[in-house]
Amino acid sequence: EDQVTQSPEALRLQEGESSSLNCSYTVSGLRGLFWYRQDPGKGPEFLFTLYSAGEEKEKERLKATLTKKESFLHITAPKPEDSATYLCAVRSGSARQLTFGSGTQLTVLP
Amino acid sequence: NAGVTQTPKFQVLKTGQSMTLQCAQDMNHEYMSWYRQDPGMGLRLIHYSVGAGITDQGEVPNGYNVSRSTTEDFPLRLLSAAPSQTSVYFCATEGAGGTETQYFGPGTRLLVL
Repeated sequence: EDQVTQSPEALRLQEGESSSLNCSYTVSGLRGLFWYRQDPGKGPEFLFTLYSAGEEKEKERLKATLTKKESFLHITAPKPEDSATYLCAVRSGSARQLTFGSGTQLTVLP
Repeated sequence: NAGVTQTPKFQVLKTGQSMTLQCAQDMNHEYMSWYRQDPGMGLRLIHYSVGAGITDQGEVPNGYNVSRSTTEDFPLRLLSAAPSQTSVYFCATEGAGGTETQYFGPGTRLLVL
């Protein structure tokens, strides 16, 4: 059974204060690790897909990295508009279903 | 191009009532799924469909029914609502060809009294 654990549950940063969110996973045969952003009252918005250990992807102030056991979402010099809940999900084997973590609620203070 | 749409946005039901949550997509995606999101538990898969006429159960299917008669629509039915089904429901779609990206609708917030 696939398992995904995200930490911390909540994170408060000052504007410009860089940090990282963690996503630890247990799967049999990773087919993809996904990061989503979710704003209050909205559906998850796709950010990145990572497929193999060592892979990195960037988008504006966000960079996602992947190892064999975890993924990090690095946020460099965050702005208040980066405040959201960040969700991590994995897909394994031949299934198309995603298994989600419970998310990290990020608040960036001006 | 609306992407994934869900109706209604918010619904209040009494225990035992039935209702259908609607999900429609205009991206011609073969895969559609329903998740529920509860505080502290993340998104959990209820049912999914890999194409018209084909559906299967996810992690938490009890109390929910689905059908898929067209590529565009994937309704979720609650036959007899229970307070435990109070949640936010999201529909998601994914295209063929190994795109591996699921796109989510805006959600339906359901309160069962």
